[in-house]
Amino acid sequence: KQEVTQIPAALSVPEGENLVLNCSFTDSAIYNLQWFRQDPGKGLTSLLLIQSSQREQTSGRLNASLDKSSGRSTLYIAASQPGDSATYLCAGGATNKLIFGTGTLLAVQP
Amino acid sequence: NAGVTQTPKFRVLKTGQSMTLLCAQDMNHEYMYWYRQDPGMGLRLIHYSVGEGTTAKGEVPDGYNVSRLKKQNFLLGLESAAPSQTSVYFCASSWESISNQPQHFGDGTRLSIL
Repeated sequence: KQEVTQIPAALSVPEGENLVLNCSFTDSAIYNLQWFRQDPGKGLTSLLLIQSSQREQTSGRLNASLDKSSGRSTLYIAASQPGDSATYLCAGGATNKLIFGTGTLLAVQP
Repeated sequence: NAGVTQTPKFRVLKTGQSMTLLCAQDMNHEYMYWYRQDPGMGLRLIHYSVGEGTTAKGEVPDGYNVSRLKKQNFLLGLESAAPSQTSVYFCASSWESISNQPQHFGDGTRLSIL
């Protein structure tokens, strides 16, 4: 069964800290990786998409990497802010579907 | 920009009742999807559509039906609601295959079945 795992399930950090969220996947059929942000009571907002031919993608303070050989992706958030507090989900792309992890709940303390 | 709009936002049903959830997108996307999100289980794909007039089963299709009569709309139907269908339902759309383009999500429909 295709699985996507996110560790840790929850994380609390002080403002200004750099942090890394982890995502691992078990199926070689997953050929790219998307990172999403979900605010309470809202839908998902796409942050970064890394194709299988890419190693990483950057958007502002966010940097995501993909290592297909090890089945891992990381989302790096630099200089965290209270506004970054949300649930972050990764999803592995396979044919006509995304396989989602259960997310990491991030709290950035002012 | 409206993006993906879901109606209704909240609904409470009794077991055995039927209802239809509506998803509308104004981005001219070909692909549309319905997910459900349950605590501890992440998002799971119910049904999807690769274009007007097409539908296909996802990971958890039982108890649901869908229709895509118009490109901009994707309807999710519950013929006889069951408590196990209590969940938050999300609609999403994308230009191309789910894996090649970012998906755009609606804000969800919170459905409770009593």
